[in-house]
Amino acid sequence: GEDVEQSLFLSVREGDSSVINCTYTDSSSTYLYWYKQEPGAGLQLLTYIFSNMDMKQDQRLTVLLNKKDKHLSLRIADTQTGDSAIYFCAEVTTSGTYKYIFGTGTRLKVLA
Amino acid sequence: DAGVIQSPRHEVTEMGQEVTLRCKPISGHDYLFWYRQTMMRGLELLIYFNNNVPIDDSGMPEDRFSAKMPNASFSTLKIQPSEPRDSAVYFCASSFTPSEQYFGPGTRLTVT
Repeated sequence: GEDVEQSLFLSVREGDSSVINCTYTDSSSTYLYWYKQEPGAGLQLLTYIFSNMDMKQDQRLTVLLNKKDKHLSLRIADTQTGDSAIYFCAEVTTSGTYKYIFGTGTRLKVLA
Repeated sequence: DAGVIQSPRHEVTEMGQEVTLRCKPISGHDYLFWYRQTMMRGLELLIYFNNNVPIDDSGMPEDRFSAKMPNASFSTLKIQPSEPRDSAVYFCASSFTPSEQYFGPGTRLTVT
């Protein structure tokens, strides 16, 4: 069945780049998303990439998609303490109805 | 826009009681989603609506759960009777397209 996997934790120093990785199993994914969740809050849409794209850049965020390996990554340049949160990868597939699968989330801790 | 509004933000109830969670989507959004988040199972899609019609309820755990969307600006998720294992954070999300979802702040449900 469909599955989205992420590593659970990542720790980086302020000012460094963070790379959060995600693997998915469904090759029919149409969209792939990154969400950010801060404590006590809902998920905030950060960015997304269509499955026919390889890369997307949005200010400090860079999304890379390797369709062959079904691997998605989110790079945060110049990571700040305000970036500390849980980051979720999600895939959306369309086969009749839409299917939404979220990863387990990666907790990013930024050290000052 | 006020964003997705959920009420209550916190709910504590005793096992066997009926619980009703409420959601007001962002105006103009045609899609509405209900999710449940727990430490053990992560984020799970329970049901989603398009134009007030339930499209996919395959994620609803059992008959104790029901969701309605009587109009474009209001939805409810009801649990009757509630059980301790229903304790979780329940999120409502809405979107204009099927994929770019905007999440509410969530309702933290505790069933004792």
